[in-house]
Amino acid sequence: ETGVTQTPRHLVMGMTNKKSLKCEQHLGHNAMYWYKQSAKKPLELMFVYNFKEQTENNSVPSRFSPECPNSSHLFLHLHTLQPEDSALYLCASSEKYEQYFGPGTRLTVT
Amino acid sequence: QKEVEQNSGPLSVPEGAIASLNCTYSDRGSQSFFWYRQYSGKSPELIMFIYSNGDKEDGRFTAQLNKASQYVSLLIRDSQPSDSATYLCAVTATTDSWGKLQFGAGTQVVVTP
Repeated sequence: ETGVTQTPRHLVMGMTNKKSLKCEQHLGHNAMYWYKQSAKKPLELMFVYNFKEQTENNSVPSRFSPECPNSSHLFLHLHTLQPEDSALYLCASSEKYEQYFGPGTRLTVT
Repeated sequence: QKEVEQNSGPLSVPEGAIASLNCTYSDRGSQSFFWYRQYSGKSPELIMFIYSNGDKEDGRFTAQLNKASQYVSLLIRDSQPSDSATYLCAVTATTDSWGKLQFGAGTQVVVTP
């Protein structure tokens, strides 16, 4: 069982909804990440938090809003999403270079 | 130009044979290299990492790194049907010391009984 948990595991939302994804790591790591994985495409890094400070925003649209209240928790707030945002959203954590992933949230935007 | 390139496959391997996966990267300053296994519908699982030129063995897996040629490979010995998955190569970017990874699109491996 992974030391990184994500909820919900599946989410279907309309384009006008607001929802949040949650990630929690139990590994004592200092860095946390959000990735997007679309079919047949490489993992896309979205955000990086290092000691609760955002150190990377990879040109992500403002309809995705991250929040990192402490080193163990990471949220991704979603609003007015588009159908092309449907994907697997993965959270990961690391002490330094080796990243460990959570199970992901399968998001479908209708 | 893709920064991390992998053959998408599928790579068909008979059970018991050696699966050989290759990955090339464009950032000559990259220092750390990772292989992840991803089963269909699941998240990536770290199976190997290598930081120095040469070979690193862990059970049935061997990672090989050649920084001069900018490639890293993964060998899976005695392939089993449970090895059927997509294997992702990941490379650190030199501009970030906190392990920002660049991923390839993955190679699908199918082990046939």
